[in-house]
Amino acid sequence: AQKVTQAQTEISVVEKEDVTLDCVYETRDTTYYLFWYKQPPSGELVFLIRRNSFDEQNEISGRYSWNFQKSTSSFNFTITASQVVDSAVYFCALLSGTYKYIFGTGTRLKVLA
Amino acid sequence: GAVVSQHPSWVICKSGTSVKIECRSLDFQATTMFWYRQFPKQSLMLMATSNEGSKATYEQGVEKDKFLINHASLTLSTLTVTSAHPEDSSFYICSASGVSGGTDTQYFGPGTRLTVL
Repeated sequence: AQKVTQAQTEISVVEKEDVTLDCVYETRDTTYYLFWYKQPPSGELVFLIRRNSFDEQNEISGRYSWNFQKSTSSFNFTITASQVVDSAVYFCALLSGTYKYIFGTGTRLKVLA
Repeated sequence: GAVVSQHPSWVICKSGTSVKIECRSLDFQATTMFWYRQFPKQSLMLMATSNEGSKATYEQGVEKDKFLINHASLTLSTLTVTSAHPEDSSFYICSASGVSGGTDTQYFGPGTRLTVL
């Protein structure tokens, strides 16, 4: 079965704190893709990153970084020095076997000024 | 690049009327488009997948006669909610992929909030 688990329903941090959003996935496929999307209050999903199963290198983009570990089936997302504008719902998604995304339930991040 | 638009962004209609939502890929050819529905504070639920020039593939439990999908060109897909009822009120989001079969990244539209009175 394919599944994405985002165990953290809601996280609140104070501005400038670092925060890590967890994502654990399940798939039997050897080739798969993992994604993170941000959904701000406006509703539009913003693409953040795509990672394929053969590339375990961690990625950093500005204040964002991603840690992909196949050994634990995790693809965690860290925001460094969080800002109020980071407040949003973040979705992790898995693309495996078929063309359908399997979304996690999302993590609502609140960054307080 | 990879911009997807939706129109309208919100719509209020009376029960029994039909509503059409447009999804356009503005700067790439969308071989595959997807329609999702999202309830408040919930994740996205895939409703159907459409490939240009062919019939849409609906997910289990989605009424194809109620949610009509047309993907007439490589840049436009439409979702028509026929005979809408209050339970159809939701946030509808489309996405587009530039690779046949949808194995590429999906880029999402801004969503359409439908309220049926």
